[in-house]
Amino acid sequence: DVKVTQSSRYLVKRTGEKVFLECVQDMDHENMFWYRQDPGLGLRLIYFSYDVKMKEKGDIPEGYSVSREKKERFSLILESASTNQTSMYLCANGQSGILGSFGPGTRLTVL
Amino acid sequence: GIQVEQSPPDLILQEGANSTLRCNFSDSVNNLQWFHQNPWGQLINLFYIPSGTKQNGRLSATTVATERYSLLYISSSQTTDSGVYFCAVEQGGFKTIFGAGTRLFVKA
Repeated sequence: DVKVTQSSRYLVKRTGEKVFLECVQDMDHENMFWYRQDPGLGLRLIYFSYDVKMKEKGDIPEGYSVSREKKERFSLILESASTNQTSMYLCANGQSGILGSFGPGTRLTVL
Repeated sequence: GIQVEQSPPDLILQEGANSTLRCNFSDSVNNLQWFHQNPWGQLINLFYIPSGTKQNGRLSATTVATERYSLLYISSSQTTDSGVYFCAVEQGGFKTIFGAGTRLFVKA
């Protein structure tokens, strides 16, 4: 089974903290994606990477950055966490723009 | 940008019933996928179906790209089919946009 794993299932942080969310895939897929899911707003694309060291903004990149130094790992960084970034964060991989597998999600609460 | 509309928003079925979920999209797309999010939040890739018909067990999907819609059929529904079904489209540039989903509850 193709596996996409995320570093934490649940995370609680304080306003202003720097937060790292890690995503690792065990397949050789070129693309990786970060989404957030909020009630009533569905899944929204934050950032994606179509290859190592390459990144593109999604629909809601403000307040986030990403890093992809290795093919298997895609990190989402909240430079200074705010309460409006409380959400479920979902990582996915893919090839040629087609989504493959999703990770189990990280439920982040910012107090 | 492209609009993706799913219907119905909510659906309650008795176990064993059949159902059809619909996805309309407002512009031409390169890719179309269906996903199931189970009650624990895990998203499962069901179909990649930019056009035509595919079947996988009790599930099948049809996309009519020229008319900008896709249908997901669930036959002989089971309680494990409960969750949210999402349609997702990609127009190019790797940006996949999700619909709001259809929330399905299958009663035993």
